[in-house]
Amino acid sequence: NAGVTQTPKFQVLKTGQSMTLQCAQDMNHEYMSWYRQDPGMGLRLIHYSVGAGITDQGEVPNGYNVSRSTTEDFPLRLLSAAPSQTSVYFCASGKGAMGTEAFFGQGTRLTVV
Amino acid sequence: EDKVVQSPLSLVVHEGDTVTLNCSYEVTNFRSLLWYKQEKKAPTFLFMLTSSGIEKKSGRLSSILDKKELFSILNITATQTGDSAIYLCAVLNFNKFYFGSGTKLNVKP
Repeated sequence: NAGVTQTPKFQVLKTGQSMTLQCAQDMNHEYMSWYRQDPGMGLRLIHYSVGAGITDQGEVPNGYNVSRSTTEDFPLRLLSAAPSQTSVYFCASGKGAMGTEAFFGQGTRLTVV
Repeated sequence: EDKVVQSPLSLVVHEGDTVTLNCSYEVTNFRSLLWYKQEKKAPTFLFMLTSSGIEKKSGRLSSILDKKELFSILNITATQTGDSAIYLCAVLNFNKFYFGSGTKLNVKP
């Protein structure tokens, strides 16, 4: 059972570089989302999607783009990395109405220097 | 502004103790409240609550929601060292999740 798969697990970027964090789920969930987790701040929603072709912004969307061309995949793009984007990123997918009982990937630890 | 506040921020207990973790919220369009346990990596789902006064129970863990007073509690009885983790509360506001900052529980032998 793969569940929610995130890649890479670790990444170091230089300021100004771009990259894509990958997220794939094999549970046929309609709802997928991206969070960042910073010390003492819990999880904050970056972007979410309620189905293929539909995305929307969460609490902290600036500096990030998403797309949802298939049900399975929901990549997160950092266009021009900044040190403030140093964080642990989690992708989640959900079954039921609006992503309830969300299942999380194992996280990506990103450092921007 | 939607927000979720958890208390206490951290807690140290000994094995066998009972603990109560608190979660209060202010969100529009409330749909559900969820509890998660986070050890070293990804949060894992514990409970989802949608109705007031109905206790959800799983082994030594239980949780209840009060939609009038806008809070939930998570109880853990007869704590074990394996319960050491960060416990996260999240509220689903229509189609967005809002998380609290978590309660870090440390259970000592």
